[in-house]
Amino acid sequence: AQSVTQLGSHVSVSEGALVLLRCNYSSSVPPYLFWYVQYPNQGLQLLLKYTTGATLVKGINGFEAEFKKSETSFHLTKPSAHMSDAAEYFCAVTTYDKVIFGPGTSLSVIP
Amino acid sequence: GAGVSQTPSNKVTEKGKYVELRCDPISGHTALYWYRQSLGQGPEFLIYFQGTGAADDSGLPNDRFFAVRPEGSVSTLKIQRTERGDSAVYLCASSPTRWEEGATEAFFGQGTRLTVV
Repeated sequence: AQSVTQLGSHVSVSEGALVLLRCNYSSSVPPYLFWYVQYPNQGLQLLLKYTTGATLVKGINGFEAEFKKSETSFHLTKPSAHMSDAAEYFCAVTTYDKVIFGPGTSLSVIP
Repeated sequence: GAGVSQTPSNKVTEKGKYVELRCDPISGHTALYWYRQSLGQGPEFLIYFQGTGAADDSGLPNDRFFAVRPEGSVSTLKIQRTERGDSAVYLCASSPTRWEEGATEAFFGQGTRLTVV
């Protein structure tokens, strides 16, 4: 069965600094991978997804993620944090069965 | 509206009562999902509908939970004999086709926050 781990339940970065949110997955077959963002009192919004093809995936709001099969990772990055990036971020994986979410990482941006 | 709509946004109920949570998906989306999100956790899969039928209900925690989608559009999640442990945000999502196929994405509603006192 697939699973997702997100290292660091809470990450703080300074405005303008690099954002790195970690995601590792467990799957016996090639997965599809997603990153979702959740702002307070709102639903989840898709940032980006990996299905096949290019392993570096670009998403909305300047975020990108790289699928590394050898490391079973799909870390999310953004070169320069903005105050509006403060939110909860969820990594998710599917292998054509059901979509499994990680526990989430809360991102704080310090002015 | 253009998005997934969930009502009510908040629901407070007494332990032992029955509740219904409603989800209006995006028009034309055949796949509909219910997830439960407890405080500090990621969404947990409950049930998936393809059209009118429940294609996968393996995430429903016990027989107090039931969901329907009689006309292939609006869905209702029903919880009988509520317990304090049922307190959570219940999220609904819809997608044009089966989300797990990867070619599409699921669009989430804002959720219903259920509090059992």
